[in-house]
Amino acid sequence: DQQVKQNSPSLSVQEGRISILNCDYTNSMFDYFLWYKKYPAEGPTFLISISSIKDKNEDGRFTVFLNKSAKHLSLHIVPSQPGDSAVYFCAASVETSGSRLTFGEGTQLTVNP
Amino acid sequence: DAGITQSPRHKVTETGTPVTLRCHQTENHRYMYWYRQDPGHGLRLIHYSYGVKDTDKGEVSDGYSVSRSKTEDFLLTLESATSSQTSVYFCAISGTAKNIQYFGAGTRLSVL
Repeated sequence: DQQVKQNSPSLSVQEGRISILNCDYTNSMFDYFLWYKKYPAEGPTFLISISSIKDKNEDGRFTVFLNKSAKHLSLHIVPSQPGDSAVYFCAASVETSGSRLTFGEGTQLTVNP
Repeated sequence: DAGITQSPRHKVTETGTPVTLRCHQTENHRYMYWYRQDPGHGLRLIHYSYGVKDTDKGEVSDGYSVSRSKTEDFLLTLESATSSQTSVYFCAISGTAKNIQYFGAGTRLSVL
């Protein structure tokens, strides 16, 4: 049972345009959501997070949106840069679960110059 | 850099042999985790620890055991490696920031 799903294995965008990565979840107990970025041969690095009490969180070029009724979150990158090319994972947790994370399958973002 | 070191970084072993992967942290964080990453599956939790000698199973724990005798070290053991355990293994830690985990660079394990 895949509780967190990223339905797009890959996404290709032009430099300077917006990248939108999507994530859906099924467990209504999830109340904290995170995005990680992963380059080849490196560990995932934390990018941005959002609590279920909010519907938007912004950090520079990165914005995460949460739609609780649809059990959907998205990551917007504006403007996209070639250095953003990486695999992006969304993750979800229940705050009382001892910070256990459930990850999606990942989306490979390619930003073309 | 979150101060996490995984060793070895690469290992090739044969089916049926025991393998131990080590995760060492310098952050004094309470929680430590072992994940495996496989194509199409993202990262899946194998085991985690919420303190010295306190561990619990994750979603893919069969065939793996862990030990944590010191705050800084979390060991993952494959008692008898199988080809299905060929994967990239990541250690993570979490500390003061709520539910944010920080990852090591990974260990690529090949079981032939």
